[in-house]
Amino acid sequence: GQNIDQPTEMTATEGAIVQINCTYQTSGFNGLFWYQQHAGEAPTFLSYNVLDGLEEKGRFSSFLSRSKGYSYLLLKELQMKDSASYLCAVKPTGGFKTIFGAGTRLFVKA
Amino acid sequence: NAGVTQTPKFRILKIGQSMTLQCAQDMNHNYMYWYRQDPGMGLKLIYYSVGAGITDKGEVPNGYNVSRSTTEDFPLRLELAAPSQTSVYFCASSYESYNEQFFGPGTRLTVL
Repeated sequence: GQNIDQPTEMTATEGAIVQINCTYQTSGFNGLFWYQQHAGEAPTFLSYNVLDGLEEKGRFSSFLSRSKGYSYLLLKELQMKDSASYLCAVKPTGGFKTIFGAGTRLFVKA
Repeated sequence: NAGVTQTPKFRILKIGQSMTLQCAQDMNHNYMYWYRQDPGMGLKLIYYSVGAGITDKGEVPNGYNVSRSTTEDFPLRLELAAPSQTSVYFCASSYESYNEQFFGPGTRLTVL
């Protein structure tokens, strides 16, 4: 089967660093996405990894290890506006569907 | 560009009623998707389309129908609404299946 696991909730302090983990088992691999979703809003694209390693984009970085079926999203210098759900999604090989995890709700406290 | 637009934003239906959720994109994307998201849950794929005239079932297609007569439009039809269809519905599009998806603002549907 196809499965994506993420922690349900995390809490972190403003100004700190937080790492949100994602593990996946899918039929092949064609890329991993991270999306941010604020409460009551639509998901928006954050990052895409297809090769092993770290991709950095401002305060956000995403890491991928294909051999371990593992990714993480790293958020630095946390701000209150980073309180949101973070969805990990994988595009398996073959077919046209992307598989979404249930998301990790991040609470940033002052 | 407006991106992906959805109407209506909110709707309350009675059990057994029918309705169409509208979705349009102006980015000339080939792929379009309909998802539902229940509270605290992830996105479940209802139907998707790889181009005009071509649609296929996703994970949870029962009770829904779609059509894709143009590249821009991808309406979702609910026949005989049931309380289990109370959810937030998101339409999304992408240029290719391995590209990032762009989501519409969502339709919040309640069936009573």
